[in-house]
Amino acid sequence: EDQVTQSPEALRLQEGESSSLNCSYTVSGLRGLFWYRQDPGKGPEFLFTLYSAGEEKEKERLKATLTKKESFLHITAPKPEDSATYLCAVDNNAGNMLTFGGGTRLMVKP
Amino acid sequence: DTEVTQTPKHLVMGMTNKKSLKCEQHMGHRAMYWYKQKAKKPPELMFVYSYEKLSINESVPSRFSPECPNSSLLNLHLHALQPEDSALYLCASSQTPQGRGEKLFFGSGTQLSVL
Repeated sequence: EDQVTQSPEALRLQEGESSSLNCSYTVSGLRGLFWYRQDPGKGPEFLFTLYSAGEEKEKERLKATLTKKESFLHITAPKPEDSATYLCAVDNNAGNMLTFGGGTRLMVKP
Repeated sequence: DTEVTQTPKHLVMGMTNKKSLKCEQHMGHRAMYWYKQKAKKPPELMFVYSYEKLSINESVPSRFSPECPNSSLLNLHLHALQPEDSALYLCASSQTPQGRGEKLFFGSGTQLSVL
C-alpha cells in the first residue's frame, strides 16, 4: 500500500525566512509526485509534477526536488501570501488513485 | 478554459432534504472525480468517472449518489445526510484516468453543512 507522510504538520516562518517542507513516500512504481497548494475553503491548486529522482522544478519562490524516497518543497524568502496548506500526492503505475499526504500548514508572518 | 466550476459554493441542508452538487469542466477531460475533505485533513476519494462511466466507488454510503450526464458534467445527489457528512466537497478532472502520472484540476469546492 502506498504511503505519503508530510512534515512538519505546521510551520511558522517570518517573512523572508527560507525553509523546506518534506514529503516522504513509499509507492509501488512511481508514476508522478505532485505538489498542490490549498487555501482555506478552496480546492487544491496544482504546483508541480515530478517524475523521476533528481528532477527539480521551480516557480517563483518555490522549488520542488525529488529523490527515490522523498520530495522537498523549498520556499525561498517567503511572503505572507505564501501562507497556505501544501499537499503532496503520489500516483503509482498500478492504476490506483492518488495517495495524499496529510499536508503542511505554512504560516508566514510579516 | 482551464477551470473546474462547482456550484453552489456553500450549502446548508437538513437531514431530510434532497440537494445536488454540480461540477462542470470544458477542458475535454475524460475522467472526473468527487472528493470529500474534512477540516485539516487531505482530500478523500469518493467516486471516479472514467469516460462517463462509474469506475470507482470507494464504499461511499448510498445517501451519496453520483451522476455523469455527459463528458463535461458531474453531479452529486445528496439525500438523508448526517451531520458528520458536513465537509468541503471537491470535484476534480484529469485528461485520462489516474495511474498515468497526470495532474488533477480541482474546483473550488462546495462547503456543505448538514444540520
